[in-house]
Amino acid sequence: AQTVTQSQPEMSVQEAETVTLSCTYDTSENNYYLFWYKQPPSRQMILVIRQEAYKQQNATENRFSVNFQKAAKSFSLKISDSQLGDTAMYFCALRETSGSRLTFGEGTQLTVNP
Amino acid sequence: SAVISQKPSRDICQRGTSLTIQCQVDSQVTMMFWYRQQPGQSLTLIATANQGSEATYESGFVIDKFPISRPNLTFSTLTVSNMSPEDSSIYLCSGGTSGSNTQYFGPGTRLTVL
Repeated sequence: AQTVTQSQPEMSVQEAETVTLSCTYDTSENNYYLFWYKQPPSRQMILVIRQEAYKQQNATENRFSVNFQKAAKSFSLKISDSQLGDTAMYFCALRETSGSRLTFGEGTQLTVNP
Repeated sequence: SAVISQKPSRDICQRGTSLTIQCQVDSQVTMMFWYRQQPGQSLTLIATANQGSEATYESGFVIDKFPISRPNLTFSTLTVSNMSPEDSSIYLCSGGTSGSNTQYFGPGTRLTVL
């Protein structure tokens, strides 16, 4: 069974600083997809970034980048130049290519302070 | 990407009653899913909504309690039946295509059961 673990329930960062959110996972498959979703107080789940396991290059989307360590089953999210609008709950998620279901981690509440 | 809407956005219901939540996608999607997010927790998959056939339920969720319909590729409903206060949660639908590795989410329905 696939599992996703986020060991940081809460984090805070000063505006314009950089913060890294941690995620580890477990799967028996070699091919899968990893995601970071953001859920602000509006509760809308917003896709932040995704990574295909077969790609060695770390995904990047503007201020958001990941550090994907396949052997260690680690998938951390780095947010650069943090903005107040980045304040949200962040969920790490895994989808195996053999199936369609997403498995979510427990979430990390990020607060960006002015 | 797909844009997903849900109705209602929120509701307050009396115990013992039922509520039907609608999910509309702006494009045809192969897969639609229903999730529950209890207060302060992560997302848990309730079921996969299959077009023209019975939904596939996850462990702990049953059709009698959460009947699901999916009459076409862009629309699905979830009914929360015989509600109790323990059903108070956010219910989210998501959609994706078999060719895409990404699920997009609706804005969620906040349900409070008194």
